[in-house]
Formats: sequence, C-alpha cells, structure tokens
Amino acid sequence: GQQLNQSPQSMFIQEGEDVSMNCTSSSIFNTWLWYKQEPGEGPVLLIALYKAGELTSNGRLTAQFGITRKDSFLNISASIPSDVGIYFCAGRGSTGANSKLTFGKGITLSVRP
Amino acid sequence: GAGVSQSPSNKVTEKGKDVELRCDPISGHTALYWYRQSLGQGLEFLIYFQGNSAPDKSGLPSDRFSAERTGGSVSTLTIQRTQQEDSAVYLCASSRGIGNYEQYFGPGTRLTVT
Repeated sequence: GQQLNQSPQSMFIQEGEDVSMNCTSSSIFNTWLWYKQEPGEGPVLLIALYKAGELTSNGRLTAQFGITRKDSFLNISASIPSDVGIYFCAGRGSTGANSKLTFGKGITLSVRP
Repeated sequence: GAGVSQSPSNKVTEKGKDVELRCDPISGHTALYWYRQSLGQGLEFLIYFQGNSAPDKSGLPSDRFSAERTGGSVSTLTIQRTQQEDSAVYLCASSRGIGNYEQYFGPGTRLTVT
C-alpha cells in the first residue's frame, strides 16, 4: 500500500529558529495535508495542498506540494514554544475513488526557550 | 461552529469487557472515519463511512471491532472482549465527503484495558 515517510522522528530547536520538515511518498499523491497534534488533543489541520508546486502559508507556517508529487515540505519560521507538538503529513494517492488518507508517523518538535 | 466531539474522553475497562465509543461529526459532513493511535505511533485507519454507502472496514484489526453510523450522523465504535493491546487513543474525524479530503478530528477517547 501507499506509505509516507517522515524523518527524523524528533527535532529539537531553539526558540526563534526556523525549522523545515519533509514528507516523502513511494507513489504520486494528489493531495497533501499537514496536521499538528498537541498532547491530549486530536490532530488539527494546518494546511491543505492540491496542486503540484503549490505553496501555501498559514501565519508562520508555509507548506509546499513538491513538483514530483511525491513529497511535501512544511516550514515553520521564527519558532515559539507553542509550536511544540507532533506534526503529521497526510496524503491521498491517485488511485482509488474514496477519500481515505495515508498518514506519516509524525515528527515530534521540541522548542527550547 | 461545533467541531467533532467524542465521548467518553477516557475509558478504563477490564480485559474481556465490551466498550462503546461515540463520535458526533461536524454537522453536514457526510464522511466519517475512525483511527487508532497507539503511544508514540501514527494514525492507524480503522473504518470509513461515506453517506449511505457500505462502509470501508478494511482497517478493522479483528472481528472484535465493529462500527455503525446511524442516520448518517453519529457513529459508535464497539470493541468486544477487549484485550490489553486494544489500549490506545481512538480518534474520529469527519469531512464534507466525496472529493473533499480535509479531515477534521475530534479530541479522541483514551481507552485503557487493565
């Protein structure tokens, strides 16, 4: 089946730094989504991407749909302590007619004040 | 508007008991999903409902797991004869439906089987 790879499993940065995460797929994806999950909560949708090459921002967050359609990137600029959480990528491939998503295993982000 | 709600937020049960977890999707969303998230792990797809179509049960790990969706809205996930390995957070999500892939999640139910 389709798989999404996110690495590393954990990232540690200093407050104020920028951080970039990527997500790669073994096959072509038509939709990429990025979610953030905080402890005790469900994942929250951050950004949705629908077109190869698309670059979309949400505040300090920017995500891109890779032109190969096999990857996506999420950048967080000027990190702050509340950016701490698990960041999941999710995508939908080109096969199948339903709306199921494939999720990556997530990257745990820690921000040192 | 109101988001996806789930109840209970926490459930502790003894091994062998049955449990029911409830999900109220966002009003007007025709698609509903259940996922399982074990400690430190990603999201494991369990089951997907779309409108009145037959559900996609391909992710259910065993026949002890079942789910139903009444009236195209509220859904119940039932786990029979619970085992310790069923301990996890069970997340529900909904989306507008076919052609829309933006899923919105509830806060989850943390199930602990002792």
